[in-house]
Amino acid sequence: DTEVTQTPKHLVMGMTNKKSLKCEQHMGHRAMYWYKQKAKKPPELMFVYSYEKLSINESVPSRFSPECPNSSLLNLHLHALQPEDSALYLCASSLTPSGVIGDTQYFGPGTRLTVL
Amino acid sequence: TQLLEQSPQFLSIQEGENLTVYCNSSSVFSSLQWYRQEPGEGPVLLVTVVTGGEVKKLKRLTFQFGDARKDSSLHITAAQPGDTGLYLCAGVDTGNQFYFGTGTSLTVIP
Repeated sequence: DTEVTQTPKHLVMGMTNKKSLKCEQHMGHRAMYWYKQKAKKPPELMFVYSYEKLSINESVPSRFSPECPNSSLLNLHLHALQPEDSALYLCASSLTPSGVIGDTQYFGPGTRLTVL
Repeated sequence: TQLLEQSPQFLSIQEGENLTVYCNSSSVFSSLQWYRQEPGEGPVLLVTVVTGGEVKKLKRLTFQFGDARKDSSLHITAAQPGDTGLYLCAGVDTGNQFYFGTGTSLTVIP
């Protein structure tokens, strides 16, 4: 089973709302990732968690707040977003035990976020 | 600086035609993956190649890793409308950093 699940599938929020994106995997992977993707462009890395600890933050604005409650779950908390934050948000996981990005990543279906 | 350049960026072909997508770099990669992504969905892993010169086949798709492990190609034979999507190469360099390619958007017209 190489499944990564994400909820919700679609999300529409105002600039003053607080919402959360959720990601789950049960493959025993120890690295999990958040990406942001605009149409027909490659995904852009936002955060990496390794062994439930944040190991990489690619200078993401503080209105995006990641959380890793356990090795299977990854959340992305959203607050005071801007319309330009509208995008497909992808979660991925990989087996890599060391926290270094160096293993095949498996992606979830994404959350299509629209900020009004 | 984009480490992995894909060409072409956009490709529109008729059903039944053959096509090749290229993924090039000046850096050496210890492994390289190809993903296909349909609109509104996440990238789906097609293949991982790790050995220079390696060729892998997946039905009508043929993947090749360059001898020097700096480039890769994806060849599709007799393209079908279901092959439509964004094709992404991705690689892990010798410093264990992961990079996505610039992407190739393929449209197969029935």
